[in-house]
Amino acid sequence: QKEVEQNSGPLSVPEGAIASLNCTYSDRVSQSFFWYRQYSGKSPELIMSIYSNGDKEDGRFTAQLNKASQYVSLLIRDSQPSDSATYLCAGPYKSGGTSYGKLTFGQGTILTVHP
Amino acid sequence: DADVTQTPRNRITKTGKRIMLECSQTKGHDRMYWYRQDPGLGLRLIYYSFDVKDINKGEISDGYSVSRQAQAKFSLSLESAIPNQTALYFCATSDPSPSYTFGSGTRLTVV
Repeated sequence: QKEVEQNSGPLSVPEGAIASLNCTYSDRVSQSFFWYRQYSGKSPELIMSIYSNGDKEDGRFTAQLNKASQYVSLLIRDSQPSDSATYLCAGPYKSGGTSYGKLTFGQGTILTVHP
Repeated sequence: DADVTQTPRNRITKTGKRIMLECSQTKGHDRMYWYRQDPGLGLRLIYYSFDVKDINKGEISDGYSVSRQAQAKFSLSLESAIPNQTALYFCATSDPSPSYTFGSGTRLTVV
């Protein structure tokens, strides 16, 4: 089992709608999670980080962390065609019993926002 | 100039050849990483280094080696390239948070 999993297939939403992206993780003690956006042919860029249970909002983006259920989500309000990209969820990568400073990534979810 | 520079951007090589991918950064970060990206598999960690004297294997280090020549430089080598090493390779740096900055990537094709 991957430490961080994104099992949903491609997501298509109309412009102006809310896009909801989800991610689950296997290590109950993981503390911090990140959402990266990757445009086609480009490198990933960090858009949100979340370290505590609950919601964190930044403009049109809201990250949610639910430690009891071990999932992380990203909501994009008022979706725009420019939001069309692959979204990668990332969490701590454990090796040798420590996860300090390294990330493991989910498979990614392709989001398409159509006009 | 980009904060994290990878060279080359694209490379086609033959099976069995040795190839080196280079990464340099101007962020001043101690931590550097090499990942590969394959369709449907996300990013997988190959090697990481938390300082010049610290090198560690990641999830998929077999067939790869690295060298940390200086704080700013971290190279990835494929000693004898094979076709299933065809992928997009990313170098990244981070502070302790860890907030990553990625390079532009190297698209490697092994024929």
